Amino acid sequence: QKEVEQNSGPLSVPEGAIASLNCTYSDRGSQSFFWYRQYSGKSPELIMFIYSNGDKEDGRFTAQLNKASQYVSLLIRDSQPSDSATYLCAVTGTASKLTFGTGTRLQVTL
Amino acid sequence: GAVVSQHPSRVICKSGTSVKIECRSLDFQATTMFWYRQFPKQSLMLMATSNEGSKATYEQGVEKDKFLINHASLTLSTLTVTSAHPEDSSFYICSASRVAGGLEQFFGPGTRLTVL
Repeated sequence: QKEVEQNSGPLSVPEGAIASLNCTYSDRGSQSFFWYRQYSGKSPELIMFIYSNGDKEDGRFTAQLNKASQYVSLLIRDSQPSDSATYLCAVTGTASKLTFGTGTRLQVTL
Repeated sequence: GAVVSQHPSRVICKSGTSVKIECRSLDFQATTMFWYRQFPKQSLMLMATSNEGSKATYEQGVEKDKFLINHASLTLSTLTVTSAHPEDSSFYICSASRVAGGLEQFFGPGTRLTVL
Protein backbone atom coordinates (compact mmCIF):
# COMPACT_ATOMS: atom_id res chain seq x y z
CA GLN A 1 0.00 0.00 0.00
CA LYS A 2 1.35 3.40 -0.95
CA GLU A 3 1.85 5.80 1.91
CA VAL A 4 0.01 8.64 0.21
CA GLU A 5 -2.53 7.83 -2.49
CA GLN A 6 -4.14 10.08 -5.04
CA ASN A 7 -6.16 9.41 -8.15
CA SER A 8 -3.90 10.31 -11.06
CA GLY A 9 -6.73 11.72 -13.13
CA PRO A 10 -7.08 13.64 -15.26
CA LEU A 11 -9.92 15.30 -13.45
CA SER A 12 -11.77 17.50 -15.90
CA VAL A 13 -14.05 20.30 -14.67
CA PRO A 14 -15.64 23.19 -16.56
CA GLU A 15 -14.56 26.75 -15.85
CA GLY A 16 -16.39 28.15 -12.85
CA ALA A 17 -17.13 24.76 -11.32
CA ILE A 18 -15.80 23.29 -8.08
CA ALA A 19 -12.88 20.91 -8.39
CA SER A 20 -12.56 18.30 -5.65
CA LEU A 21 -9.22 16.60 -5.15
CA ASN A 22 -8.80 13.72 -2.74
CA CYS A 23 -5.93 12.09 -0.89
CA THR A 24 -5.64 9.21 1.56
CA TYR A 25 -2.67 8.34 3.72
CA SER A 26 -1.64 5.20 5.54
CA ASP A 27 0.34 6.46 8.54
CA ARG A 28 -2.03 7.30 11.41
CA GLY A 29 0.80 9.23 13.03
CA SER A 30 0.86 11.79 10.23
CA GLN A 31 0.56 15.26 11.66
CA SER A 32 0.73 17.84 8.91
CA PHE A 33 -0.89 17.83 5.50
CA PHE A 34 0.03 19.93 2.52
CA TRP A 35 -1.33 20.64 -0.92
CA TYR A 36 1.09 21.68 -3.64
CA ARG A 37 0.39 22.72 -7.21
CA GLN A 38 2.89 21.78 -9.90
CA TYR A 39 2.82 23.06 -13.44
CA SER A 40 4.50 20.97 -16.10
CA GLY A 41 8.28 21.36 -15.96
CA LYS A 42 8.14 23.48 -12.80
CA SER A 43 8.72 22.77 -9.14
CA PRO A 44 5.84 22.49 -6.67
CA GLU A 45 4.37 25.58 -5.06
CA LEU A 46 2.56 25.44 -1.75
CA ILE A 47 -1.17 26.14 -1.88
CA MET A 48 -2.04 25.49 1.72
CA PHE A 49 -1.51 23.25 4.70
CA ILE A 50 -3.74 21.91 7.42
CA TYR A 51 -2.99 20.39 10.80
CA SER A 52 -6.35 20.01 12.53
CA ASN A 53 -9.50 18.13 11.67
CA GLY A 54 -12.07 20.16 9.80
CA ASP A 55 -11.95 22.75 7.09
CA LYS A 56 -9.46 25.49 6.34
CA GLU A 57 -10.27 28.13 3.76
CA ASP A 58 -7.90 30.41 1.86
CA GLY A 59 -9.49 32.36 -0.96
CA ARG A 60 -10.88 29.93 -3.53
CA PHE A 61 -9.21 26.97 -1.85
CA THR A 62 -10.54 24.87 1.03
CA ALA A 63 -8.62 22.01 2.59
CA GLN A 64 -10.54 19.39 4.53
CA LEU A 65 -8.95 16.95 6.94
CA ASN A 66 -10.46 13.86 8.55
CA LYS A 67 -7.83 12.07 10.60
CA ALA A 68 -10.17 9.26 11.64
CA SER A 69 -10.69 8.37 7.99
CA GLN A 70 -7.09 9.28 7.07
CA TYR A 71 -8.39 11.50 4.35
CA VAL A 72 -7.54 14.99 3.18
CA SER A 73 -9.11 16.87 0.32
CA LEU A 74 -8.75 20.14 -1.55
CA LEU A 75 -11.68 22.02 -3.02
CA ILE A 76 -11.12 24.69 -5.63
CA ARG A 77 -14.08 26.99 -6.13
CA ASP A 78 -14.72 28.94 -9.33
CA SER A 79 -12.09 26.91 -11.18
CA GLN A 80 -10.07 28.80 -13.77
CA PRO A 81 -8.08 27.52 -16.74
CA SER A 82 -4.96 28.71 -14.89
CA ASP A 83 -5.75 26.15 -12.19
CA SER A 84 -4.96 23.38 -14.68
CA ALA A 85 -1.96 21.62 -13.15
CA THR A 86 -0.98 18.58 -11.13
CA TYR A 87 -1.94 18.79 -7.47
CA LEU A 88 0.30 16.98 -5.03
CA CYS A 89 -0.78 15.90 -1.59
CA ALA A 90 2.02 15.57 0.98
CA VAL A 91 2.11 14.52 4.60
CA THR A 92 4.63 14.65 7.43
CA GLY A 93 5.01 12.77 10.67
CA THR A 94 6.94 13.95 13.69
CA ALA A 95 9.92 14.82 11.51
CA SER A 96 9.70 17.43 8.80
CA LYS A 97 10.13 14.87 6.03
CA LEU A 98 7.45 15.20 3.35
CA THR A 99 5.95 12.13 1.71
CA PHE A 100 4.26 12.96 -1.57
CA GLY A 101 1.45 11.33 -3.42
CA THR A 102 1.74 10.84 -7.16
CA GLY A 103 -0.52 13.78 -7.84
CA THR A 104 -3.83 14.39 -9.56
CA ARG A 105 -3.85 16.16 -12.89
CA LEU A 106 -6.61 18.77 -13.09
CA GLN A 107 -7.91 20.12 -16.37
CA VAL A 108 -10.22 23.12 -16.30
CA THR A 109 -12.05 23.40 -19.58
CA LEU A 110 -13.51 26.52 -21.17
CA GLY B 1 9.86 36.09 1.56
CA ALA B 2 10.96 32.42 1.62
CA VAL B 3 12.63 32.34 -1.80
CA VAL B 4 14.83 29.41 -2.76
CA SER B 5 17.03 29.47 -5.85
CA GLN B 6 18.78 26.68 -7.70
CA HIS B 7 21.65 26.81 -10.14
CA PRO B 8 21.89 25.74 -12.85
CA SER B 9 18.32 25.46 -14.05
CA ARG B 10 19.31 23.08 -16.79
CA VAL B 11 22.44 21.06 -17.47
CA ILE B 12 23.49 18.60 -20.13
CA CYS B 13 26.57 16.53 -19.55
CA LYS B 14 28.38 13.53 -20.88
CA SER B 15 28.20 10.16 -19.20
CA GLY B 16 30.91 9.76 -16.57
CA THR B 17 31.21 13.42 -15.64
CA SER B 18 30.18 15.02 -12.35
CA VAL B 19 27.61 17.74 -12.00
CA LYS B 20 27.14 20.12 -9.07
CA ILE B 21 23.78 21.71 -8.29
CA GLU B 22 23.49 24.60 -5.84
CA CYS B 23 20.49 25.38 -3.67
CA ARG B 24 20.27 28.72 -1.86
CA SER B 25 17.75 30.23 0.50
CA LEU B 26 17.80 33.89 -0.49
CA ASP B 27 15.91 35.65 2.27
CA PHE B 28 15.90 33.30 5.22
CA GLN B 29 18.14 30.92 7.07
CA ALA B 30 17.39 27.29 6.41
CA THR B 31 17.90 24.88 9.25
CA THR B 32 17.26 21.98 6.95
CA MET B 33 17.42 21.50 3.21
CA PHE B 34 15.97 18.60 1.28
CA TRP B 35 16.88 17.12 -2.08
CA TYR B 36 14.25 15.47 -4.26
CA ARG B 37 14.30 13.75 -7.61
CA GLN B 38 11.35 13.58 -9.96
CA PHE B 39 11.20 11.34 -13.01
CA PRO B 40 8.65 12.09 -15.78
CA LYS B 41 5.04 11.58 -14.73
CA GLN B 42 6.10 10.51 -11.24
CA SER B 43 5.97 12.24 -7.92
CA LEU B 44 8.82 13.76 -5.97
CA MET B 45 11.00 11.24 -4.19
CA LEU B 46 13.09 12.43 -1.27
CA MET B 47 16.76 11.63 -1.77
CA ALA B 48 18.31 13.11 1.35
CA THR B 49 17.90 15.54 4.20
CA SER B 50 20.69 17.97 4.88
CA ASN B 51 21.38 19.95 8.04
CA GLU B 52 23.96 22.71 8.18
CA GLY B 53 27.31 21.50 9.41
CA SER B 54 26.42 17.82 9.63
CA LYS B 55 26.30 14.84 7.32
CA ALA B 56 23.26 14.36 5.18
CA THR B 57 20.76 11.64 5.91
CA TYR B 58 20.05 9.60 2.81
CA GLU B 59 16.86 7.75 2.01
CA GLN B 60 16.94 4.03 1.46
CA GLY B 61 18.22 3.13 -1.97
CA VAL B 62 20.04 6.42 -2.56
CA GLU B 63 23.81 5.98 -2.91
CA LYS B 64 25.58 8.50 -0.71
CA ASP B 65 28.86 8.10 -2.60
CA LYS B 66 27.15 8.91 -5.86
CA PHE B 67 25.04 11.82 -4.66
CA LEU B 68 27.32 13.97 -2.54
CA ILE B 69 25.59 16.58 -0.43
CA ASN B 70 27.31 19.45 1.30
CA HIS B 71 25.47 21.92 3.53
CA ALA B 72 28.16 24.47 4.27
CA SER B 73 26.02 27.29 5.60
CA LEU B 74 22.48 28.13 6.64
CA THR B 75 21.77 29.40 3.14
CA LEU B 76 23.58 26.99 0.83
CA SER B 77 23.45 23.29 0.08
CA THR B 78 25.01 21.54 -2.89
CA LEU B 79 24.28 18.23 -4.56
CA THR B 80 26.99 16.67 -6.69
CA VAL B 81 26.02 13.83 -8.99
CA THR B 82 29.26 11.94 -9.47
CA SER B 83 30.03 9.85 -12.55
CA ALA B 84 26.62 10.61 -13.98
CA HIS B 85 24.91 8.11 -16.24
CA PRO B 86 21.86 8.43 -18.47
CA GLU B 87 19.64 6.86 -15.81
CA ASP B 88 20.50 9.82 -13.53
CA SER B 89 18.72 12.12 -15.97
CA SER B 90 15.92 13.65 -13.95
CA PHE B 91 14.47 16.80 -12.43
CA TYR B 92 16.31 17.57 -9.19
CA ILE B 93 14.52 19.87 -6.75
CA CYS B 94 15.70 21.24 -3.44
CA SER B 95 13.61 22.67 -0.64
CA ALA B 96 14.37 24.46 2.59
CA SER B 97 12.77 24.88 5.99
CA ARG B 98 13.21 28.01 8.06
CA VAL B 99 15.22 27.97 11.24
CA ALA B 100 12.49 29.36 13.43
CA GLY B 101 9.51 28.22 11.39
CA GLY B 102 7.35 25.17 11.21
CA LEU B 103 7.17 22.24 8.91
CA GLU B 104 6.64 24.16 5.69
CA GLN B 105 9.15 23.57 2.95
CA PHE B 106 9.89 26.14 0.29
CA PHE B 107 10.92 24.70 -3.02
CA GLY B 108 13.54 25.84 -5.47
CA PRO B 109 12.72 26.01 -9.18
CA GLY B 110 14.47 22.73 -9.94
CA THR B 111 17.37 21.61 -12.11
CA ARG B 112 16.81 19.54 -15.21
CA LEU B 113 19.75 17.16 -15.66
CA THR B 114 20.26 15.34 -18.93
CA VAL B 115 23.12 12.87 -19.16
CA LEU B 116 24.06 11.86 -22.69
